[in-house]
Amino acid sequence: QSALTQPASVSGSPGQSITISCTGSSSDVGAYNYVSWYQQHPDKAPKLMIFDVNNRPSGVSDRFSGSKSGNTASLTISGLQAEDEADYYCNSYTKNNIVVFGGGTKLTVL
Amino acid sequence: QVQLVESGGSLVTPGGSLRLSCAASGFNFSDYYMTWIRQAPGKGLEWISYITSTGGIMYYADSMKGRLTISRDNAKNWVHLQMNTLRAEDTAMYFCARRRQGGSRGAFDLWGQGTMVTVSS
Repeated sequence: QSALTQPASVSGSPGQSITISCTGSSSDVGAYNYVSWYQQHPDKAPKLMIFDVNNRPSGVSDRFSGSKSGNTASLTISGLQAEDEADYYCNSYTKNNIVVFGGGTKLTVL
Repeated sequence: QVQLVESGGSLVTPGGSLRLSCAASGFNFSDYYMTWIRQAPGKGLEWISYITSTGGIMYYADSMKGRLTISRDNAKNWVHLQMNTLRAEDTAMYFCARRRQGGSRGAFDLWGQGTMVTVSS
């Protein structure tokens, strides 16, 4: 159960767009459309932002979008805002109902 | 109020055991798969266990398999995590979370605030 690979950090200015990648394998990201993304502010519980690759839960801004190509999923945040500064984690379903997370990406809004 | 509240975290010596609990309220608990996810200090999220809505099937991450037992009480809206033979590397915040309905595997849409487990002599 290897962790998914995410960049350690990304940054962008207010109003810009950024993309965070999440690379797995043909056993997880590449095999299933069950990739989710979470936002975590310091000392807070994670919040679900995207599920099933590209679906937003009710209440999540449409500035957040997800996609997948092969073994790599991506989270795009458009129109960056100061409150988007947080850690972001992807996860994927794998065989046998196992779930694997990425190592996390720290987003800095400059 | 729709919420999950964890309890049971504490300081425990290596080799010891601990039982974490998670109280659910505000939703039909028995309709949902429940899971435990942990986060070591300054580190990322790690999924560790799953239980189906009826409690009939449980899944565990390899990193803790054999040392964990997840269970639930649908009458009282609780999910528990029994952890045995604890090691220093098990030190983490342990979160209880609800899996989103509709078959979205891996999508956890409700989280508790976490309970801290520290393993140290």
